[in-house]
Amino acid sequence: GQQVMQIPQYQHVQEGEDFTTYCNSSTTLSNIQWYKQRPGGHPVFLIQLVKSGEVKKQKRLTFQFGEAKKNSSLHITATQTTDVGTYFCAGRDTGGGNKLTFGTGTQLKVEL
Amino acid sequence: EAQVTQNPRYLITVTGKKLTVTCSQNMNHEYMSWYRQDPGLGLRQIYYSMNVEVTDKGDVPEGYKVSRKEKRNFPLILESPSPNQTSLYFCASSLLGVGGYTFGSGTRLTVV
Repeated sequence: GQQVMQIPQYQHVQEGEDFTTYCNSSTTLSNIQWYKQRPGGHPVFLIQLVKSGEVKKQKRLTFQFGEAKKNSSLHITATQTTDVGTYFCAGRDTGGGNKLTFGTGTQLKVEL
Repeated sequence: EAQVTQNPRYLITVTGKKLTVTCSQNMNHEYMSWYRQDPGLGLRQIYYSMNVEVTDKGDVPEGYKVSRKEKRNFPLILESPSPNQTSLYFCASSLLGVGGYTFGSGTRLTVV
C-alpha cells in the first residue's frame, strides 16, 4: 500500500533559524496536504497542493510539491516559538478515493 | 462554529469492557474517518465512511467497529478492548475529494 515517509523525525532550532521538513511518497499523489499539531492538540489543516511543481506561501511558511508529485517540503523562515509542534504531510492517492495517508511527522522544538 | 466533536476526551477502562467513542460533525461532510496516533507511527486510519450506511476498513481495523446511521455521527466501538488499543484517537471529516480534514480534539484511551 501507499507509504509516506517524512524526515527528519525531530528538529531542534534556535529562534530565528530556518526549518525544513521533507515528505516522500511511494506512489504518485493527486494532491498533498500539510497539517500542524500543537503539543496536546489535534492536527489542523494548513494547505493543499495539487499541481506538479506548485509552490505556495503562507507568511513565513513555504510549501512545495515536487515535479513528479511524489514529494513535498515545508520550509519555515525565521522560526518563532509559536511554530512549535508536529508537522504532518498527508498524501491523497490517484485512485479517486478520499483517503489521506499521513507521514510520520516532524516534531519541531524552538529554543529562545 | 464548524467543528468535529469527540467524546470523551479521556477514558480509562479495563480489558474486555465494551466502549464507544462518539464523533459528531456539523459541516454536512460526506466523509468521516477514525485515526489512531501512536508515538513514532504517525496517524493510522482505522475505518472510514464515504456516506450514510457506507463504511470501509482502513489500515488498522482489527478490534474496532463503526457505524454511520446518520450523516453527522460516526461512533467508534471497541467490543472487547485490549491494552494494545491504548492510544490517542482522532475523528476527522471532510467533503468528498476536496480540501482538508477537520479533526476532533481527540480521545486519549487507556486500557488496563
